[in-house]
This record gives sequence, C-alpha cells and structure tokens, in this order.
Amino acid sequence: NAGVTQTPKFRVLKTGQSMTLLCAQDMNHEYMYWYRQDPGMGLRLIHYSVGEGTTAKGEVPDGYNVSRLKKQNFLLGLESAAPSQTSVYFCASRQSTRRGTDTQYFGPGTRLTVL
Amino acid sequence: AQRVTQPEKLLSVFKGAPVELKCNYSYSGSPELFWYVQYSRQRLQLLLRHISRESIKGFTADLNKGETSFHLKKPFAQEEDSAMYYCALRGPQGGSEKLVFGKGTKLTVNP
Repeated sequence: NAGVTQTPKFRVLKTGQSMTLLCAQDMNHEYMYWYRQDPGMGLRLIHYSVGEGTTAKGEVPDGYNVSRLKKQNFLLGLESAAPSQTSVYFCASRQSTRRGTDTQYFGPGTRLTVL
Repeated sequence: AQRVTQPEKLLSVFKGAPVELKCNYSYSGSPELFWYVQYSRQRLQLLLRHISRESIKGFTADLNKGETSFHLKKPFAQEEDSAMYYCALRGPQGGSEKLVFGKGTKLTVNP
C-alpha cells in the first residue's frame, strides 16, 4: 500500500513549456486534491475532484487544468508554464467527507521550477 | 467567508519550554478544525482534529468558539517537534469537500 504517490519529484521547465504532474492513490479514495505550497502563502487549493470523471476549481485554478479519468489518478497540467508557477505541488486524497474517514493523505510533493 | 489565520510565521523555543501555536478562524457555523504537520523533507500529515479531543505526541488543541481559536499547545517542547504546522478548517460553507489552510507556522525547537 503505497498511499499517495506523485511523479515526477522534481522538474525544471522553461517559460512556455507544458507538462503534466501525475498523482496516484491506491486507497480507493473518492476525493483528490491538488495544492501548491509557497513560502508565506501556505497551502492553496488549485483544483479538486469528488469522484471519477469530476473536477472543480479551487482557490487558484488559473493556468492549470486537471483530469480524473480513473479513480486512482488525478493529473495536473500546465499548458504554458510561467515563472509564477514555480512552487511545490502537493496532491492529497480522502476517502469521504464523513467524520472518521475524512483525513486527507498527502503525497510527497513535486518541486517545479519554471525559468 | 471561511478564513484561517496563523499570526506567527516563525516560532522559536528552547527544548523543554512550553509552546503554543496560534490559530484563529472565521466561520459562521460549527466548524471542524485540524492541525497538520510537515516535518523536514516529509509529507504533510494529520496531527490532530478537535472532534477527537485527543493528545498526539504531547500536543493538544482546544476549540474555543467564543474566541474563534484553535491553538495548539505542548507543555514541554522537544527538538523533534521542529516542523511546519498548518491549521485547517472544514465546514459546509463552500462545500465540505474542501479544507481551508492557514499560512503555516514554522516551529523551531532549539537544544
């Protein structure tokens, strides 16, 4: 049981390049989330999904797209990377919103630098 | 709007001293509050939640609805407590699917 995994762990992009970050969870969780973590800004929600085939915008969705084609995977895409997207990206998943099963489990993070 | 405020970006104490990490929230209703911790080079993990009224690693947190606070406390800090701490809120407003995080407090426990 690997929990929540993220690939890649590190990436350096040039402005304008595109890339996809992959999040995978093997806990059969319904809910998945993408956050970015920046110094002094804490964790900000980019997009999230409440189930396979669904996505919704979070606090800072601009410049990102997501897809949840399979329940276990949640992809975060950057179509045209900008230096402002330099950050550490965390994926998280949660079984449900019911108390007792609503703990969010986080991945190890992806450190992205856009030059 | 839901908001979580952690007024201290940095907090430094000596080993054995008491520590309190402050968290204030704004929410109209009955919130659920959590503390998450991120140790160096590790992923974020749940430390405790107010509903459980538990003590984890010597830490406790009491929800004070009158002061809209959920401060994290430990009577005797240890060096291994050095980490980034995030207070988070969840409520029906805006959908219970989401957690709202504070900006975090970096705790350093000096020997």
